Amino acid sequence: GQSLEQPSEVTAVEGAIVQINCTYQTSGFYGLSWYQQHDGGAPTFLSYNALDGLEETGRFSSFLSRSDSYGYLLLQELQMKDSASYFCAPNAGKSTFGDGTTLTVKP
Amino acid sequence: GAVVSQHPSWVICKSGTSVKIECRSLDFQATTMFWYRQFPKQSLMLMATSNEGSKATYEQGVEKDKFLINHASLTLSTLTVTSAHPEDSSFYICSARGETSTDTQYFGPGTRLTVL
Repeated sequence: GQSLEQPSEVTAVEGAIVQINCTYQTSGFYGLSWYQQHDGGAPTFLSYNALDGLEETGRFSSFLSRSDSYGYLLLQELQMKDSASYFCAPNAGKSTFGDGTTLTVKP
Repeated sequence: GAVVSQHPSWVICKSGTSVKIECRSLDFQATTMFWYRQFPKQSLMLMATSNEGSKATYEQGVEKDKFLINHASLTLSTLTVTSAHPEDSSFYICSARGETSTDTQYFGPGTRLTVL
């Protein structure tokens, strides 16, 4: 089977840095993807880690440690528009999502 | 990133009717497509995984005779909600993935179904 753990909620202020952690258990693991979903919309792809280490894409970075079955999404210079739900999803034969993390950015 | 479209974006139908939702990968060949449903303030629930040319694999608790999935080509999958009832009202989202499991999946914009 597959299991995912993320914090359910995170709150931060504009301009701050936030790290959303993800631990996973899955078979046939190829890499870890991150998605953002705003209320009423569909998920959009943010980042993908196939190898251990840090991937940086603008204000967003994602990290993976395969040996620890752990990854995180780092959001820098937070903006109000970053308020959304964030999901980590292992790239595997089956694609299930956890409950995600609701990020609230306050002024 | 890759583009996945869904049609219609929203639909309102009467109880007992059937509704077909199309999911298309516009700029890549999608060997695998996933169908999810999402209720307000909840996570995406995987309904089924479909591979081109073969029968879909349904998740436990999802009725395959009610949610008919067809993945006839590498760019098109359809979900038909048969004999829809108000409890089927939900946000249905498809995603498409390329040839291997290493490929990232890309999501369509979703279809909001309301059954009266």
